[in-house]
Amino acid sequence: EAQVTQNPRYLITVTGKKLTVTCSQNMNHEYMSWYRQDPGLGLRQIYYSMNVEVTDKGDVPEGYKVSRKEKRNFPLILESPSPNQTSLYFCASSLSQGRPEAFFGQGTRLTVV
Amino acid sequence: DAKTTQPTSMDCAEGRAANLPCNHSTISGNEYVYWYRQIHSQGPQYIIHGLKNNETNEMASLIITEDRKSSTLILPHATLRDTAVYYCIVGGRDDKIIFGKGTRLHILP
Repeated sequence: EAQVTQNPRYLITVTGKKLTVTCSQNMNHEYMSWYRQDPGLGLRQIYYSMNVEVTDKGDVPEGYKVSRKEKRNFPLILESPSPNQTSLYFCASSLSQGRPEAFFGQGTRLTVV
Repeated sequence: DAKTTQPTSMDCAEGRAANLPCNHSTISGNEYVYWYRQIHSQGPQYIIHGLKNNETNEMASLIITEDRKSSTLILPHATLRDTAVYYCIVGGRDDKIIFGKGTRLHILP
């Protein structure tokens, strides 16, 4: 089954403690991206990757890092999480940036206290 | 700047067709109309997209006006599971997906 898998689904952490949210897709997609969703602000893109070893900033990249060492995985790294990064995070993938049929993961609800 | 305008919310009776409008008066010639939906706190789900012609798939139909300034997503026989926020998005082939506020569709039993 075609899917994008995020882990963990829920996470509560403390300010400053580094964390990684993993994202994996099984569709051999080139394009992957991360979004965060906040009430009243909608879905905003954090980072995206056009292919292996190619990543770029989205609209709200501050406080986040990503890597794309292999095609299927696109982890989101919070080196020093802060409470304003409390949010619902989604990973997405598509064949390429130009293909609109994107698949989204089920989301990771992160709380930073 | 929002490229699309959608009603904030809509109701539809179960079993009836749900018609969700979207205005995109500034759409340019190479921009597509895409529709996604998001069921409460789940990841967004791609529904359909089109350029000029009307499109239909197993989930929905997309009707685009001749001047391309507006479109309508049609769910032919709405069920309770279609309750979701529906996003109309306009963009070129190489543009990233930018989500607006969408339409919150309530399917009423």
